[in-house]
Amino acid sequence: SQQGEEDPQALSIQEGENATMNCSYKTSINNLQWYRQNSGRGLVHLILIRSNEREKHSGRLRVTLDTSKKSSSLLITASRAADTASYFCATQRKGGYQKVTFGTGTKLQVIP
Amino acid sequence: GAVVSQHPSRVICKSGTSVKIECRSLDFQATTMFWYRQFPKQSLMLMATSNEGSKATYEQGVEKDKFLINHASLTLSTLTVTSAHPEDSSFYICSAGIALAGGEEQFFGPGTRLTVL
Repeated sequence: SQQGEEDPQALSIQEGENATMNCSYKTSINNLQWYRQNSGRGLVHLILIRSNEREKHSGRLRVTLDTSKKSSSLLITASRAADTASYFCATQRKGGYQKVTFGTGTKLQVIP
Repeated sequence: GAVVSQHPSRVICKSGTSVKIECRSLDFQATTMFWYRQFPKQSLMLMATSNEGSKATYEQGVEKDKFLINHASLTLSTLTVTSAHPEDSSFYICSAGIALAGGEEQFFGPGTRLTVL
């Protein structure tokens, strides 16, 4: 399976703390994306990082990419209760319109 | 940004009936669209790649006669679940690819929740 692995599978933190989620993948990629999904809802695109980028920021989100280790991390700083959701990484392989392969996901709970 | 819509957002049907789900790219043309399925508390699994004007490419284990895909135009792909059964109950999500500087990005629809009674 080409599916990526994420850890931890579940994470529970207090509001205001930082949350870090990791993603590992298996193939050479064109880009890696992070998504959020609230329970029973659709996907919300958070950040896309390309294979030639190492770090990207968006508001309270920071994503890193290490292509040598085939891994990425998503850091949410100063977490809020509204950040409670499942977070998925998704990789797109090199070459044309390649399919996106999702990781197993991390379920984040932010306790107010 | 690019917007992808899905219709319906939620459908409940009786076992044995067929259900059609539409996926539309609203402000761009998508040569390729993808269909995913997500079971409760699980990740998204790709079902098939839908190519405009040609047959869809199905992932291993996905029955092409059960999940009919039609990509009739550059802005519309449909997934028809034929003779639906309770085990087909799931969240179905489509995505559409668009070429941007530096590579391709995919934009996801909001999903369709199918419940088969």
